[in-house]
Amino acid sequence: IAGITQAPTSQILAAGRRMTLRCTQDMRHNAMYWYRQDLGLGLRLIHYSNTAGTTGKGEVPDGYSVSRANTDDFPLTLASAVPSQTSVYFCASSDGDPPTQYFGPGTRLTVL
Amino acid sequence: GQNIDQPTEMTATEGAIVQINCTYQTSGFNGLFWYQQHAGEAPTFLSYNVLDGLEEKGRFSSFLSRSKGYSYLLLKELQMKDSASYLCAVEDSNYQLIWGAGTKLIIKP
Repeated sequence: IAGITQAPTSQILAAGRRMTLRCTQDMRHNAMYWYRQDLGLGLRLIHYSNTAGTTGKGEVPDGYSVSRANTDDFPLTLASAVPSQTSVYFCASSDGDPPTQYFGPGTRLTVL
Repeated sequence: GQNIDQPTEMTATEGAIVQINCTYQTSGFNGLFWYQQHAGEAPTFLSYNVLDGLEEKGRFSSFLSRSKGYSYLLLKELQMKDSASYLCAVEDSNYQLIWGAGTKLIIKP
């Protein structure tokens, strides 16, 4: 592994189903983030974690949950997917000064 | 509220120079980032400004004026591979990045 990986690459999901998007980094960065990107809108922060064991809510946290059991992994869970959660989801990590964020390749999620 | 404004789309010619502007109104300021994002790919870091002035990095330069809430990204000697979206982001007082919607740059031969 080099950098950040995300899985799956894409997914089509029925509304009401539970889904976990996976994110793993091997850079030993303390901070990790989940964003969603929708056409015409900037990246919007869903949840973040400043260090293992802690998490915080971003701009659009409703319907999503995260956990940070260790430094490397930061999964994002949709408890009961709705069509408005159709989006491209990016995981990112950062460390140091400046706090440059490095992004995973993204997961394209479609909720029908 | 917090707001980052960038033009939605710009067109330029291969070999020319283009300037992409970004204005911001945020709760505090801890730095400004520019990222490049090719279609279907992840954003990648281009530049960071925390002090007023110009930062030059090869064909790309970024300028910041904190008093005016303004930045620009200058791309010189444009190449076809520069066709991408360019994202401006400001780190606010809570150390969170606030992102603009991005400027789609189209390069024509």
